[in-house]
Amino acid sequence: DTGVSQNPRHKITKRGQNVTFRCDPISEHNRLYWYRQTLGQGPEFLTYFQNEAQLEKSRLLSDRFSAERPKGSFSTLEIQRTEQGDSAMYLCASAQGRSASYEQYFGPGTRLTVT
Amino acid sequence: GNSVTQMEGPVTLSEEAFLTINCTYTATGYPSLFWYVQYPGEGLQLLLKATKADDKGSNKGFEATYRKETTSFHLEKGSVQVSDSAVYFCALSENNDMRFGAGTRLTVKP
Repeated sequence: DTGVSQNPRHKITKRGQNVTFRCDPISEHNRLYWYRQTLGQGPEFLTYFQNEAQLEKSRLLSDRFSAERPKGSFSTLEIQRTEQGDSAMYLCASAQGRSASYEQYFGPGTRLTVT
Repeated sequence: GNSVTQMEGPVTLSEEAFLTINCTYTATGYPSLFWYVQYPGEGLQLLLKATKADDKGSNKGFEATYRKETTSFHLEKGSVQVSDSAVYFCALSENNDMRFGAGTRLTVKP
């Protein structure tokens, strides 16, 4: 297993454009998480899926943010009408099982720069 | 809501020095507690965890004990190495709500 992968690794976009990031979790993991990390801060939880069900989305930063995991495998995070304040590292993590005490495995992240 | 507060960095130590990074938390129930580490140029990885009060997590010479009475989960290592230079994050998870501290950058000099 190659671990959690994220694409692209870097994205530069102009303000107002839409962007979409992809996360491929470890294959047998049923839970998938999205986080945002800004410089000098820890990851900030955005949303998570158990299989294809999105069980928590109230922490998404605004209605411009949305996430999907249509077949319970890979996931996408979309940001519409990007703003400069959206510039950050977006992290994906996956885990097995139902309990929150199971280890989350993180991907390398996608760095977004909004100009 | 739940939150984690950890010691501000950066922390600079000489090789073989003793390390403590303080972490305290606020939670409504009984969270699981974690320390994650991010080495230069790498992604976050779990260092150790504890799932209930008085549990001690340990890995690679690092230890942390879940102290419910003081709501703390301080990270310790008796003798740090240059290879321990990294950013360390304390985190809690309750009902799949994961909260991270701001991170503490550790630099170990030979």
